[in-house]
Amino acid sequence: GEDVEQSLFLSVREGDSSVINCTYTDSSSTYLYWYKQEPGAGLQLLTYIFSNMDMKQDQRLTVLLNKKDKHLSLRIADTQTGDSAIYFCAESYTNAGKSTFGDGTTLTVKP
Amino acid sequence: EAGVTQSPTHLIKTRGQQATLRCSPISGHTSVYWYQQALGLGLQFLLWYDEGEERNRGNFPPRFSGRQFPNYSSELNVNALELEDSALYLCASSSQGSDQPQHFGDGTRLSIL
Repeated sequence: GEDVEQSLFLSVREGDSSVINCTYTDSSSTYLYWYKQEPGAGLQLLTYIFSNMDMKQDQRLTVLLNKKDKHLSLRIADTQTGDSAIYFCAESYTNAGKSTFGDGTTLTVKP
Repeated sequence: EAGVTQSPTHLIKTRGQQATLRCSPISGHTSVYWYQQALGLGLQFLLWYDEGEERNRGNFPPRFSGRQFPNYSSELNVNALELEDSALYLCASSSQGSDQPQHFGDGTRLSIL
């Protein structure tokens, strides 16, 4: 079945690294995504990884995928106060048209 | 390049009324998706349209319906509104291929009084 789980809250100090974790159950997913949602806004696509990749780096963002354990993580280096938001993990499937989202991790960055 | 645009930003209705929400995809995108983000329930998939056809539907009653126009824009209609329909409705678009990255608009906040 399809289920994506994330921890609900993460608090870090400005300048530290943040690691947001996600687990999923459906091994047929093709892409895995990280979205950011700021208050009152829609979802901003941050980065995504194809399911046959292990790692993707994009500036301050590093995505790690452990397909065996169905575990996805997002590392944000040098976290800034502007990174405070809700981060959603999602997976998509060929021909299904939908993405399944986790419930989101609220990241709070303290000065 | 313009992103996904949704209108209206806010919509206030009363129980039993009908609501129409609109979405314009990113230029060149042919697929449009609708999601409901209700408080405490996360993002729930509603509908997927591609090339004018409904391709997939989430676990929602038939009073949630929509369509996609020849220019790939889309409407979501909700009939016989209920209090629990209050939510942020998000539209996303992608290039052809249902597993392509979905890009979201800022949503329509629907409030039912």
